[in-house]
Amino acid sequence: GENVEQHPSTLSVQEGDSAVIKCTYSDSASNYFPWYKQELGKGPQLIIDIRSNVGEKKDQRIAVTLNKTAKHFSLHITETQPEDSAVYFCAAYGGSYIPTFGRGTSLIVHP
Amino acid sequence: GAVVSQHPSRVICKSGTSVKIECRSLDFQATTMFWYRQFPKQSLMLMATSNEGSKATYEQGVEKDKFLINHASLTLSTLTVTSAHPEDSSFYICSASLTGADNQPQHFGDGTRLSIL
Repeated sequence: GENVEQHPSTLSVQEGDSAVIKCTYSDSASNYFPWYKQELGKGPQLIIDIRSNVGEKKDQRIAVTLNKTAKHFSLHITETQPEDSAVYFCAAYGGSYIPTFGRGTSLIVHP
Repeated sequence: GAVVSQHPSRVICKSGTSVKIECRSLDFQATTMFWYRQFPKQSLMLMATSNEGSKATYEQGVEKDKFLINHASLTLSTLTVTSAHPEDSSFYICSASLTGADNQPQHFGDGTRLSIL
C-alpha cells in the first residue's frame, strides 16, 4: 500500500518568513494530493490540492508543488502570519478513494 | 460548500455508557463517510469507511461490535461507542466525500472529544 512520509514534524518561523513542508510517497500510481490544516480542537480543513497532471498550484500565499519523478510534493506558505500556526497534514491517494495521511507538521509562527 | 457537521463536540460520561456521535453533510450528498480517531499530537487513524445503505468496512484492529456505524441516508452517518471505557477516550473525527470515486477530497467535521471517566 501507499506510504507517506512528512517532514519536518515541527517548524518554527518568524512572522513574514516562508515555510515549506515536504511529503514523499511510495506508490507511483498516486494521482491526487490534498493538504489539510488542523487548528487546535478542530477537524482538518482542506486548504489546497494538486493532481498528478499539474506540477504547481497557487492560491494567494499558499502553493503546492509536485515532482512525480521523485515522488514528492511540498506545501509552501509565504509571508507567514500568526494565524497560520496549526498542524498541517499531507495526503496521497494511491489509486483508491481512501487517502494515506502524513504524520503532520506543527507550524509555529512567532509574531 | 462541502460542509460537514459533527455533534456533539464534547462528551464526558461514566464508564459503561454508550455514546452516539452524528456526522452530517449539510450541502452535499455523501455516498461515503469516514470515521477517524486521533490521539494527541498524532495523525488521523482511519477506523472505518461507511457507505450509505450497506455495512461499514472496518480497518484491521477496530472492533465492529465496539464501534457501531450506521449510514442510513446520504447525509447522515452515526458512530456509537458501546459500553465506553477510559481507553476509548479520544478525539473522533468524521469526514465525507462527494462520491466513492478517486481524487475526491474528504471534508471533515470539527471532531468530538470523548472523555470517559
